[in-house]
Amino acid sequence: DGGITQSPKYLFRKEGQNVTLSCEQNLNHDAMYWYRQDPGQGLRLIYYSQIVNDFQKGDIAEGYSVSREKKESFPLTVTSAQKNPTAFYLCASSIGVIETQYFGPGTRLLVL
Amino acid sequence: RKEVEQDPGPFNVPEGATVAFNCTYSNSASQSFFWYRQDCRKEPKLLMSVYSSGNEDGRFTAQLNRASQYISLLIRDSKLSDSATYLCVVDNTDKLIFGTGTRLQVFP
Repeated sequence: DGGITQSPKYLFRKEGQNVTLSCEQNLNHDAMYWYRQDPGQGLRLIYYSQIVNDFQKGDIAEGYSVSREKKESFPLTVTSAQKNPTAFYLCASSIGVIETQYFGPGTRLLVL
Repeated sequence: RKEVEQDPGPFNVPEGATVAFNCTYSNSASQSFFWYRQDCRKEPKLLMSVYSSGNEDGRFTAQLNRASQYISLLIRDSKLSDSATYLCVVDNTDKLIFGTGTRLQVFP
């Protein structure tokens, strides 16, 4: 089955801790994205990558970091510098940057 | 002006009703247009792409008006299962911009 997987479904972070959210796709898509969604709000772009070993900041990159060492994988690290990390995090991929994006099921991050 | 603007709703309609949403966009050079559907606490899913000539998929019809820079979504014969948030998506030449969504609630 082709698609995008995200893990874990729920993640709890303690104060001062870095946590990493996983995103894997087997759609052979070049472009991958991370979005944050707060309750009742729209999607906000954190980072995106058009190709392996390259990525760009989105609108709200502060406090986050990413890597793109493999085409299939685009992990997101929420660092301790992100003071309000509680949100729903969505990963997406597409063939090209203005093509249809396909989303994973998301990870809900909560701060203890 | 926001890059993509939608009426947040909610639109409360009875089953069987016809409902329409509009979405305006600011970049006249935009080429890609989509409607996504997002259920509560779930990921967005593609509902349909929007083509210049307009397109239909069952009960759903999408239209593009380049002159006035808006796209529309028409839902006929609404079902309870159509209750969701509908996201308008437009490109700004190097990435897609998601609207904040219009919430639809269909009641019996």
